[in-house]
Amino acid sequence: GENVEQHPSTLSVQEGDSAVIKCTYSDSASNYFPWYKQELGKRPQLIIDIRSNVGEKKDQRIAVTLNKTAKHFSLHITETQPEDSAVYFCAASIEDSSYKLIFGSGTRLLVRP
Amino acid sequence: GAGVSQSPSNKVTEKGKDVELRCDPISGHTALYWYRQRLGQGLEFLIYFQGNSAPDKSGLPSDRFSAERTGESVSTLTIQRTQQEDSAVYLCASSSTARTEAFFGQGTRLTVV
Repeated sequence: GENVEQHPSTLSVQEGDSAVIKCTYSDSASNYFPWYKQELGKRPQLIIDIRSNVGEKKDQRIAVTLNKTAKHFSLHITETQPEDSAVYFCAASIEDSSYKLIFGSGTRLLVRP
Repeated sequence: GAGVSQSPSNKVTEKGKDVELRCDPISGHTALYWYRQRLGQGLEFLIYFQGNSAPDKSGLPSDRFSAERTGESVSTLTIQRTQQEDSAVYLCASSSTARTEAFFGQGTRLTVV
């Protein structure tokens, strides 16, 4: 079945710096890649997603890039702020009979003031 | 309701007892997911319902776990003969179709003592 690997598991950056989180997936037929943010004690919420027909998508300080050949995608957060501190999860939707969403193991981001 | 609703919010049960967790998805959403999140860990896929298709049960960890969904409405996750390792937050999510934003409920925190 599909496997999604996420790195790093923890990331600490200074406020204002950029943060990059990387994920790889195993099923070349996957074609939908969302990113979720989970603040402490809260439910995961979608922050950005990308489909396989584009290579990059931006939304203000957040961007996601996709490399289908290498089967990896990345989340980029620029000008980080303390409120960006959270756990971030990547996911991939497998284009088999079910399209279920499989999540990476998560990255705990800490933005130091 | 406006979002995905799960009940109960918290459940403490004795080892060996059965528990039933409920998820009310957003009205009209055809896709429904169950995930398990152990403390400080990632989102472990359990089961996925998509419309009238047969559910994808590939993530259920043992035959003590089962889930049902009536049409495109309520889903229940049942854990029989609970064990301490079942302690976790059980999250439900729904989306309007496959490969679109999945909205999460607040989760049910299960503690097996």
